[in-house]
Amino acid sequence: DVKVTQSSRYLVKRTGEKVFLECVQDMDHENMFWYRQDPGLGLRLIYFSYDVKMKEKGDIPEGYSVSREKKERFSLILESASTNQTSMYLCASSDLAGGTYEQYFGPGTRLTVT
Amino acid sequence: AQKVTQAQTEISVVEKEDVTLDCVYETRDTTYYLFWYKQPPSGELVFLIRRNSFDEQNEISGRYSWNFQKSTSSFNFTITASQVVDSAVYFCALTRSYNTDKLIFGTGTRLQVFP
Repeated sequence: DVKVTQSSRYLVKRTGEKVFLECVQDMDHENMFWYRQDPGLGLRLIYFSYDVKMKEKGDIPEGYSVSREKKERFSLILESASTNQTSMYLCASSDLAGGTYEQYFGPGTRLTVT
Repeated sequence: AQKVTQAQTEISVVEKEDVTLDCVYETRDTTYYLFWYKQPPSGELVFLIRRNSFDEQNEISGRYSWNFQKSTSSFNFTITASQVVDSAVYFCALTRSYNTDKLIFGTGTRLQVFP
């Protein structure tokens, strides 16, 4: 079974703090994704990585950066957290080479910025 | 542009009722994939089904069934004899372009099944 884990289920940070959200997958997937989920807006893609050290902006990258130093780990960084970044953050991985196009999701991190 | 519309924001039913969740999509691609995911209260999205654009056969899996109609650009999901455990947010998604697994998601439909 594919397992995608995220470092925290709940996180509370102060405005201006630097925040790291970590995601680890154990199935050797090439592709990894960070989404944020907000009521009425569904899932929106923040960043995407298709290989180690490779990344691509998604639909809403402003205020975020990412790091992928190892294949299994994909980190989302909020350089200076703001209240409008309060949201649920979901990480996913997929095996495009396998041809299934299916994404496997982690349990999510609910981030509150005060 | 790719787009997925789930017009139903929230649906409430009583247990054992049948319920259909609507999904309408827009794409310029001739080859694409459609998906349904379930997000229970625990938060983790769970894959339910994938359909490619060349396969218009309806699919049934237990109490779940999917109706894919290219003529109306719809991929609707029906739960027969709903149960309380079906309560969740359901997302429909579409591949953004050919040969990519980047998805565009609808806004989701929250289903509440009451005992």
